[in-house]
Amino acid sequence: KAGVTQTPRYLIKTRGQQVTLSCSPISGHRSVSWYQQTPGQGLQFLFEYFSETQRNKGNFPGRFSGRQFSNSRSEMNVSTLELGDSALYLCASSPAGSYPSTDTQYFGPGTRLTVL
Amino acid sequence: DAKTTQPNSMESNEEEPVHLPCNHSTISGTDYIHWYRQLPSQGPEYVIHGLTSNVNNRMASLAIAEDRKSSTLILHRATLRDAAVYYCILEPEYSGGGADGLTFGKGTHLIIQP
Repeated sequence: KAGVTQTPRYLIKTRGQQVTLSCSPISGHRSVSWYQQTPGQGLQFLFEYFSETQRNKGNFPGRFSGRQFSNSRSEMNVSTLELGDSALYLCASSPAGSYPSTDTQYFGPGTRLTVL
Repeated sequence: DAKTTQPNSMESNEEEPVHLPCNHSTISGTDYIHWYRQLPSQGPEYVIHGLTSNVNNRMASLAIAEDRKSSTLILHRATLRDAAVYYCILEPEYSGGGADGLTFGKGTHLIIQP
């Protein structure tokens, strides 16, 4: 079974621009979560989608948004980019989003975003 | 949220066992203990999880203290490929309503010497 794929793997943007990152979960997985990883803050939860609905959101400003399509693929969007948005953005999928007791999360390789 | 405490880094030799400790003195009765690891330039990967009893899988073993205030991840025979950051995470048993996301701490940077 193919793993979680994320595109693009690397991205360079300038302040004020917006960016869209894509995530394709493992086939059959319906839950997709997004995380931001920075050297200072570590791994932080952004939001989770299940069956095209955002179920939970971390403590991030409204510039960070996402969506999920009927095939479970997900995109996240960051508008009005700031230098501090430079990070590794990780996507994770799980079968039903009912971890930790029954599911585990499977992470993709991430998208490295650099904001200049 | 219950917190975990892990050493910043540990060093071990190849082909020797590695014991990675995690303290979680404020753990609640329904918190599962999860371990994930992140190899260089990769996303985190699941290692093992448990609730009360010790657990074994093909990757590692998880030893949980009787009072559940600490746990130890055991890699029985470390290889160079095991060099990674290891995260000990507490998560409550799922009770419905959506996934809240995993709460990652700083983790332990495991260095394996050849």
